[in-house]
Amino acid sequence: SQKIEQNSEALNIQEGKTATLTCNYTNYSPAYLQWYRQDPGRGPVFLLLIRENEKEKRKERLKVTFDTTLKQSLFHITASQPADSATYLCALGNYGQNFVFGPGTRLSVLP
Amino acid sequence: EAEVAQSPRYKITEKSQAVAFWCDPISGHATLYWYRQILGQGPELLVQFQDESVVDDSQLPKDRFSAERLKGVDSTLKIQPAELGDSAMYLCASSRNRDTPYEQYFGPGTRLTVT
Repeated sequence: SQKIEQNSEALNIQEGKTATLTCNYTNYSPAYLQWYRQDPGRGPVFLLLIRENEKEKRKERLKVTFDTTLKQSLFHITASQPADSATYLCALGNYGQNFVFGPGTRLSVLP
Repeated sequence: EAEVAQSPRYKITEKSQAVAFWCDPISGHATLYWYRQILGQGPELLVQFQDESVVDDSQLPKDRFSAERLKGVDSTLKIQPAELGDSAMYLCASSRNRDTPYEQYFGPGTRLTVT
């Protein structure tokens, strides 16, 4: 069955550094991948979508890569701020099919 | 900015009781999803509607869970009877359609505690 793994459960980094979160998957060939941010007690918020034929996507301080050979996506937050502290979820999908979410990585940016 | 509305935000119920959650998606969004999220895990799809029709309820425990979207707008998810293992966050999301890569807009969720 398909499996999605994200980093460790939690990642601590110092303010100003680049945070790198990992999403690995097995037994799946997604056509696209999304990243969401979730704050405690709230619903996820969409951040970025990347398709299988795209290597990299950027949005402000965010960058996502998608390597279908390695079956991996990397999510980078540059110049991280304490306000970036949250849980980040990756979700994989195919056309006409539903998304499958990973377990999430809890990021803490320390001042 | 349009948002997905959910109520109640919190619900405490005793096991064997019935409980219902309500969701109002963003206007014009044809697709509506109900997810269950256990603490420390990602959301797990329970049921998906396209307008008023169910298109995927393969993960819905149909012996106790039911969902409807009668007019293709708002939706209700019901659990009867509730069990201790149903304690979780129940999230509703909507999207314009499911045929092309789409972003889902999530509501704030309903935190259910079964005692």
